[in-house]
Amino acid sequence: DAGITQSPRHKVTETGTPVTLRCHQTENHRYMYWYRQDPGHGLRLIHYSYGVKDTDKGEVSDGYSVSRSKTEDFLLTLESATSSQTSVYFCAISDGRKETQYFGPGTRLLVL
Amino acid sequence: GEDVEQSLFLSVREGDSSVINCTYTDSSSTYLYWYKQEPGAGLQLLTYIFSNMDMKQDQRLTVLLNKKDKHLSLRIADTQTGDSAIYFCAESANSGYALNFGKGTSLLVTP
Repeated sequence: DAGITQSPRHKVTETGTPVTLRCHQTENHRYMYWYRQDPGHGLRLIHYSYGVKDTDKGEVSDGYSVSRSKTEDFLLTLESATSSQTSVYFCAISDGRKETQYFGPGTRLLVL
Repeated sequence: GEDVEQSLFLSVREGDSSVINCTYTDSSSTYLYWYKQEPGAGLQLLTYIFSNMDMKQDQRLTVLLNKKDKHLSLRIADTQTGDSAIYFCAESANSGYALNFGKGTSLLVTP
């Protein structure tokens, strides 16, 4: 398995609070991604990074920000959590050669 | 983004073959993927195929690609109860190497 960890694995928070999710990789891959998975929607891209300090928006980026200050870490921040952001969040990594992405175990977030 | 469509549910008997179908609309897709997700787990890459291929076989898995019809299928031979999971079809988008996923097909294998 690719060396990807996500923390926390589970989180319950209240509406209006900021939340930061962390993705950590040991593969030294250039590309990192954040997806959310919701019933009836499959996986949708939130943000991605193509290098340190290089990030771009995905399909559902509103209400989320990201940062990548080191190759191994990609942080996803919900600036002010809303109930619509209750979801399972997956991080993925890629070396960009075969466009193959490997996924982390996911973080289950519940916003009350 | 471009659409990737899959049927939502498939039920097969143990030992039979399973065929999961997927259609996509982006004619510039370079790679097409199948991922497996077991309950409570992340996505596991099963296999992928380049757009210039029409078939790929990997043990019990056979992927068929009809680029003209934009149709991808995954055949699992001798399906086992451990194959019960959600299977996602995905294609590579034009930019940023992001993947565009279908909604997933839930495969139930009954004894």
